[in-house]
Amino acid sequence: DAGVIQSPRHEVTEMGQEVTLRCKPISGHDYLFWYRQTMMRGLELLIYFNNNVPIDDSGMPEDRFSAKMPNASFSTLKIQPSEPRDSAVYFCASRGRNEQFFGPGTRLTVL
Amino acid sequence: AQKVTQAQTEISVVEKEDVTLDCVYETRDTTYYLFWYKQPPSGELVFLIRRNSFDEQNEISGRYSWNFQKSTSSFNFTITASQVVDSAVYFCAFDNYGQNFVFGPGTRLSVLP
Repeated sequence: DAGVIQSPRHEVTEMGQEVTLRCKPISGHDYLFWYRQTMMRGLELLIYFNNNVPIDDSGMPEDRFSAKMPNASFSTLKIQPSEPRDSAVYFCASRGRNEQFFGPGTRLTVL
Repeated sequence: AQKVTQAQTEISVVEKEDVTLDCVYETRDTTYYLFWYKQPPSGELVFLIRRNSFDEQNEISGRYSWNFQKSTSSFNFTITASQVVDSAVYFCAFDNYGQNFVFGPGTRLSVLP
């Protein structure tokens, strides 16, 4: 298995633009998580899904953030409109029976 | 609310020394998971271990070992004979079976040659 796949790896955009981050979990994993990492706040859980259903989105910072999981092999995290304070590394992770693996992350820079 | 504390912000050791990274968690739950992850300078998060709260047996994997003590709410991580490649930020994390996921602030380990 290729592991958790995220795209793009780097994204630079201007304030006000829409940003879409993508994640492909490991096949067979039934949990998917979106995290954000910044120097100031460390690793924060934004939202997670179980069997494609959003379970807890209390970590989503505000309405500008939304996440979907249309099927077991794909999820998106969208920010609209983006702001400079959204600059961070966004990680996707998926969980199997005994482990939770992270993707390589998307480094987002909002100018 | 659940909380994970990693009191050591930064640790520096010389290669071949043993080093222990501390992790203390707070919870009222009786069933939960604990994790350790490694984040090297390249930025990825590498899964090291997941431990179920029912299993207090210590675990050893090569130079890595973990000491889980439910009585003191600690899940410490020891690297034996450290190497330069062990230099990274190490995160301890807590998960109460899908209701709360909490990461500690991390400990930055520098292993000097």
